[in-house]
Order: sequence, then C-alpha cells, then structure tokens
Amino acid sequence: NAGVTQTPKFRVLKTGQSMTLLCAQDMNHEYMYWYRQDPGMGLRLIHYSVGEGTTAKGEVPDGYNVSRLKKQNFLLGLESAAPSQTSVYFCASSSYNYEQYFGPGTRLTVT
Amino acid sequence: AQSVTQLDSQVPVFEEAPVELRCNYSSSVSVYLFWYVQYPNQGLQLLLKYLSGSTLVKGINGFEAEFNKSQTSFHLRKPSVHISDTAEYFCAVSENNNAGNMLTFGGGTRLMVKP
Repeated sequence: NAGVTQTPKFRVLKTGQSMTLLCAQDMNHEYMYWYRQDPGMGLRLIHYSVGEGTTAKGEVPDGYNVSRLKKQNFLLGLESAAPSQTSVYFCASSSYNYEQYFGPGTRLTVT
Repeated sequence: AQSVTQLDSQVPVFEEAPVELRCNYSSSVSVYLFWYVQYPNQGLQLLLKYLSGSTLVKGINGFEAEFNKSQTSFHLRKPSVHISDTAEYFCAVSENNNAGNMLTFGGGTRLMVKP
C-alpha cells in the first residue's frame, strides 16, 4: 500500500504559468482534500471532494480548480500562477471515520 | 464557524522533561478532535483522536490528550520527551455534522527538544 502519493514533489513556476498537481490514493477512500500550508497558519483547505465526480470549495479556493474523475485521483490546477500561491500543498484522503491520511507534499515556488 | 487556537508557536524543552502543548477550539456544535505530527519535510501523521467516550485519549509515541468540554480544550501531553519528538504538532477539529469530514487546523506548535 502506497497510501497517498503526490506528483510532483517540487516545482518552480513563473507568474502566469499553469500547472496541475496530482494526488492518488489506494485506500478506496471516499473523501479527498487539498490543503496549502504556510508558516504560522497551519493547513488551510482549498477544495475537497466527497466522492467521484463531486467537488466543493474550502476555505481558500480562489485561483485553484479541482477535478475528481476517478475515485482514486484528485487533481489540483492552477490556471495562472501568482507569487501568493507559493506554498507547500498537501493532499489527504479519508473514509467515514474522520481520520485523514496525508501525502508527502508538493513544494511550489512561483517567481 | 469553528476555529482552533494553539497558544504557543514554539515550545523548547529539555530531553526527558514533560511537555504540554495547548489547544483551544470554538464551535457551536459537538466536535471531533485530533492531534497530528509533522516531521521535517514530511506529511502529517495522526497522533491521536477523540471521537467519543473517555475524555483521556492515548496515542502513539507515548502522547496523550484530554478533552475538556467546559474549557473547550484538547491539550497534548507527554511525561518524558525524546530528541526524536522534535517536530511540528497540529491540533485539528471537525464538527460532527459536516458532510465532508472537513478539518480545521490550528497554526501549529513547534516542539524543540534539547539534549
């Protein structure tokens, strides 16, 4: 079991470029989440999904889009990157017991 | 809306000393409570959780936490810390009526264990 995996691990973008972060889980979890982590602010929820084909906005959704076409995958897209999106991004998944399992993170720098 | 406050951003402590990391939350409904640990350059790992039952919860690595409903607190404790406990610790809360099992995190407490 790989658990939750994220691709890529690191990325540097120029302002205005686009990219997609991929999250995959092999635990057959219904729920998946994307967070960003910034110093002193903990983790903030960007978007989440309660099942295949469904997505919803979290606390800080602006500038991001997501898709969940397959149950095991949750994609996070940045259409036009901004320096304010420099952060560490974490994906997580959970079943019905409220315990979330986290991926190793993606460190994104926007210059 | 729920919120979580971790009162200390950094806690330095000597090896083998006891430690308490404080967490307070606010919510208008019943909640579930969690502590996660993040080692450098890694994701978050669950230490312990409170869903119901006994208010004293034991977790991995010798940590425990006590849910105090009247004080809306969920402080994390360990009687004797090791160098390997150096990490960032996050308290999180989930309201038990939220459809997506969403968590709200505190800002984190960096535990620094000194030899």
